[in-house]
Amino acid sequence: AQSVTQLGSHVSVSEGALVLLRCNYSSSVPPYLFWYVQYPNQGLQLLLKYTSAATLVKGINGFEAEFKKSETSFHLTKPSAHMSDAAEYFCAVSDREYGNKLVFGAGTILRVKS
Amino acid sequence: ETGVTQSPTHLIKTRGQQVTLRCSSQSGHNTVSWYQQALGQGPQFIFQYYREEENGRGNFPPRFSGLQFPNYSSELNVNALELDDSALYLCASSQTSFSGNEQFFGPGTRLTVL
Repeated sequence: AQSVTQLGSHVSVSEGALVLLRCNYSSSVPPYLFWYVQYPNQGLQLLLKYTSAATLVKGINGFEAEFKKSETSFHLTKPSAHMSDAAEYFCAVSDREYGNKLVFGAGTILRVKS
Repeated sequence: ETGVTQSPTHLIKTRGQQVTLRCSSQSGHNTVSWYQQALGQGPQFIFQYYREEENGRGNFPPRFSGLQFPNYSSELNVNALELDDSALYLCASSQTSFSGNEQFFGPGTRLTVL
């Protein structure tokens, strides 16, 4: 069965600092991995996805994530945080066994301090 | 191009009542998935419809049911509402149900059960 663990329900960084949001997954077959962002009272917006091409994936708004099979991780990073990055971030997994149905982590709320 | 839309935006019901939520998929998409997002949690997969047929179901009781219409719009019905059904209900559409295919989310319907 698939599962996603996001370490840290809340992360706080200063504006201009590195953002690192952690995600570990469990899947019995090669996974597809996604990061979504959710702003208050809104739906989910896709930041980036890994679909077995390049292990370093670049997304929107300067975010990127690296797929590490040996560590079963897909951590999200951004070199320099901006105030507009404050939101909740969800890591999700799907795989060939379950089609494109998504299993989400519990989410990480990112706070950006000025 | 119109994105995924959901109606209503907010809904208040009392325990034991029935509710219908609606979703219009993005143009060119034949697959709709529904997710329940309780407060402070990640979205949980309810079920998926592909070309008007149910194509997978999560761990939700039968009082959660759905429908997809020939234009690929969809409904989520919940009977005998319980207090724990209070949540944000998200609809997502995709071009196919194949693994790795991106899901596009609507803004959600906030259901409150009193």
